[in-house]
Amino acid sequence: GAVVSQHPSRVICKSGTSVKIECRSLDFQATTMFWYRQFPKQSLMLMATSNEGSKATYEQGVEKDKFLINHASLTLSTLTVTSAHPEDSSFYICSAPTPGHSVMNTEAFFGQGTRLTVV
Amino acid sequence: GNSVTQMEGPVTLSEEAFLTINCTYTATGYPSLFWYVQYPGEGLQLLLKATKADDKGSNKGFEATYRKETTSFHLEKGSVQVSDSAVYFCALTGQAGTALIFGKGTTLSVSS
Repeated sequence: GAVVSQHPSRVICKSGTSVKIECRSLDFQATTMFWYRQFPKQSLMLMATSNEGSKATYEQGVEKDKFLINHASLTLSTLTVTSAHPEDSSFYICSAPTPGHSVMNTEAFFGQGTRLTVV
Repeated sequence: GNSVTQMEGPVTLSEEAFLTINCTYTATGYPSLFWYVQYPGEGLQLLLKATKADDKGSNKGFEATYRKETTSFHLEKGSVQVSDSAVYFCALTGQAGTALIFGKGTTLSVSS
């Protein structure tokens, strides 16, 4: 079945540096990808929708200048956390909806997630 | 807007006990409903889904029935195992290609 690969799985960075997280659809094209953030013992909060060939759509309260999203191709979306601070430490997960738009294709495939720790 | 409410955990059970995790939703139209599972340190895996009223999703002994009259999608398993210990998320989506909306997750811990 369709697979979404996310890299890296873990990253530790210093405050003030930037970190890039990649999300790839391995055997299908994804014109849309979603980026979520998960705080410890909490649910997944949608951060933004990444659209191939156009600007990302950010959810209310998400700083677009801090969380840069690029969807350069039909199989790759990247999330860059710029000038990271300890409060950005979290689990970030990407997902892509299943190909096709029938009512049967409403689920999504998720990447493995990235544990970001800012020290 | 659309939302999902699921019972708060943690849920602690002994092996072979019966499991129910309640999930209710608020949505316009006819959403698709899902249960995802997250094992420690991993991403989310689809456990089961239902796309229309009265559908029953099932997988690995888990079941959930789409109840439109009660706007519910409760997860059940007749006999849990230690390996079922994980966080379970109820989710919905309004239409194909849109982002899923998740409940807060319920942590299940099964002891032998």
